[in-house]
Amino acid sequence: DAGITQSPRYKITETGRQVTLMCHQTWSHSYMFWYRQDLGHGLRLIYYSAAADITDKGEVPDGYVVSRSKTENFPLTLESATRSQTSVYFCASSEAAYEQYFGPGTRLTVT
Amino acid sequence: AQTVTQSQPEMSVQEAETVTLSCTYDTSESNYYLFWYKQPPSRQMILVIRQEAYKQQNATENRFSVNFQKAAKSFSLKISDSQLGDTAMYFCAFSKNYQLIWGAGTKLIIKP
Repeated sequence: DAGITQSPRYKITETGRQVTLMCHQTWSHSYMFWYRQDLGHGLRLIYYSAAADITDKGEVPDGYVVSRSKTENFPLTLESATRSQTSVYFCASSEAAYEQYFGPGTRLTVT
Repeated sequence: AQTVTQSQPEMSVQEAETVTLSCTYDTSESNYYLFWYKQPPSRQMILVIRQEAYKQQNATENRFSVNFQKAAKSFSLKISDSQLGDTAMYFCAFSKNYQLIWGAGTKLIIKP
């Protein structure tokens, strides 16, 4: 199906483990984004990408790594998960300066 | 710094009433885009409406319309004939350099 998907939808992991959240879009949008959403903070940008092999930091990049070898995929890796990274993570894509389209989100719990 | 302010943390109205959500923003740019997104309890972020700053005409999408006041840097969302399914968090966002600057959101509750 066309659109933007995220996997897994729910993940529980332990402190110190590496976790990768996947994001896939079928629109061939140039731009892709990773946000985290926490109560009291709204949406905060972690990383974004303007094209394959081009990524840049957002507002809260510490503890996260991204890559974009293909236009359609934009995985987010937590190299050593911490409890403060417990959150809901959203991936989004867009073309140019227009609206962003969001995936369904991944709820990550770090114990 | 460019910011987006939503001054109403929570609002509630009766079904079928009209409700207006406020949003102000701060920018020195002359051309930009503004958006309203809806996040229902399902958590999905859904685009409600978009406004291009160079257009004087206010955007409308069915029961949703905006009041865009560029000089005042105001971008309010009006929901007419509100429905129970409109219950959600509503976020105002401003587009800058392919990124979106987000407001903190307004929780809207539609009561039966």
